[in-house]
Amino acid sequence: QQNVQQSPESLIVPEGARTSLNCTFSDSASQYFWWYRQHSGKAPKALMSIFSNGEKEEGRFTIHLNKASLHFSLHIRDSQPSDSALYLCAVSGGYKVVFGSGTRLLVSP
Amino acid sequence: EAAVTQSPRSKVAVTGGKVTLSCHQTNNHDYMYWYRQDTGHGLRLIHYSYVADSTEKGDIPDGYKASRPSQENFSLILELASLSQTAVYFCASSDRTGGSYEQYFGPGTRLTVL
Repeated sequence: QQNVQQSPESLIVPEGARTSLNCTFSDSASQYFWWYRQHSGKAPKALMSIFSNGEKEEGRFTIHLNKASLHFSLHIRDSQPSDSALYLCAVSGGYKVVFGSGTRLLVSP
Repeated sequence: EAAVTQSPRSKVAVTGGKVTLSCHQTNNHDYMYWYRQDTGHGLRLIHYSYVADSTEKGDIPDGYKASRPSQENFSLILELASLSQTAVYFCASSDRTGGSYEQYFGPGTRLTVL
C-alpha cells in the first residue's frame, strides 16, 4: 500500500526567501506526482504536477522528481505572505490518489 | 460557478444518529471521491466511485457508506455517527485526462459529532 510522507511538518520563512518542501513515496510504479495548496478554511487546489524525472517550473514554483530515490520536492522562489498555506503532496498510479499529511508554511512579512 | 458543491456546509450531529453528506459535480467527471481531513492534517480516502451505481472502499471505509445514484451525485452516509468521525469532509471529482486524475475539490463539510 502506498505510503506518502512529507517533511518538514511546518516551516516559517521570511518574505523573499527560497522555500523547499519534500515528499517521499513507497510505490515505484507511481505515475503522477502532485502538489496541492490549501489556504486556511478553504478546499485544496492543485498547484502543479509532474510525471517524468527531472524538473518543471511554473512561475515561482519548481517541482523536482527523482523516481529512483522515491522523492519529489517543491521549491518556492521569492516566497510571499500569500504563499502561507498547508501544502499537500499527492501520488497517483491511476484513479486513486494518496496524499501526504502536509507541510504548514508560514511566510512572515 | 462552482463545479463541485457540497451540502450541508456544516453540521452538528448526535452520537448514534444518522448523517448524510451530499456532493454534486458539474464537471462531467466519471470519478468521485470522499476524503476526510482532521485538523491541520492531510486527506484520507474513505470511498470512491468511477461509475454511477457503483462504489469502492478507500483506505478508511469503516463506519461509512457511499452512494452514487448518478454521474453528478455522490453521497456519504454515517449510519451511526461517533465522536471519532468529527472532521472536515471533502468531496472531489476527477477524470482521466492525460492520466493525471487531478482532483477538483468541493468546499468541504465541517461535521461535529457530540
